[in-house]
Amino acid sequence: EVRLVESAGGLVQPGGSLRLSCAASGFTFNNYAMTWVRQAPGKGLEWVSSISGSGGSTYYADSVRGRFTISRDNSKDAVYLRMNSLRAEDTAVYFCANSRGYSYAYNWGQGTLVTVSS
Amino acid sequence: QSALTQPASVSGSPGQSITISCSGTSSDVGGYNYVSWYQQHPGKAPQVMISDVSDRPSGVSNRFSGSKSGNTASLTISGLQAEDEADYYCSSYTSSSPIVFGTGTKVTVL
Repeated sequence: EVRLVESAGGLVQPGGSLRLSCAASGFTFNNYAMTWVRQAPGKGLEWVSSISGSGGSTYYADSVRGRFTISRDNSKDAVYLRMNSLRAEDTAVYFCANSRGYSYAYNWGQGTLVTVSS
Repeated sequence: QSALTQPASVSGSPGQSITISCSGTSSDVGGYNYVSWYQQHPGKAPQVMISDVSDRPSGVSNRFSGSKSGNTASLTISGLQAEDEADYYCSSYTSSSPIVFGTGTKVTVL
């Protein structure tokens, strides 16, 4: 059974930083791209970032490029999202997801809430 | 990276069929057969219902089906049930990013 578990989010001040992690199990991790998706309160889904199975290719939404960094550790079956220069508009539930072929969000974690506020 | 366009809401009575549309461009929906559909109940994570336009993952009811014509994809729910009341999102692979999501559709069972 595929299982994706995000680390706890939390409350961060504007301009602050936070690193999310996602622990994966139930599939051969290094064979699959991984993706972070977020959902602001009461809003729709927004793609944030994706990383290839090897970690050699990374992709970012314009809204986070230059502030967020995605990475993975295939020895630990984990993917990370480092978030810097956080803004109020980054407040959202962040989900990690694995891929299936060119479907970059297939199985999803339960999500973790990140609140950016002073 | 503009969101795909979905109707804000769709409703139907139990037992009826409803269809949700997802409109994009030739750079996303129309250019690739990599459209997925997700169901999301309040406070829960999305669950994939359809991938690659019309493939249904194991465990998903055969009342859910997907199709595509040109730049528009569709999700049809037949034999509507109370448990189908949820938000539904489409997504597509694109020429400029791995994935873009639709604006979301709230399905109400009357």
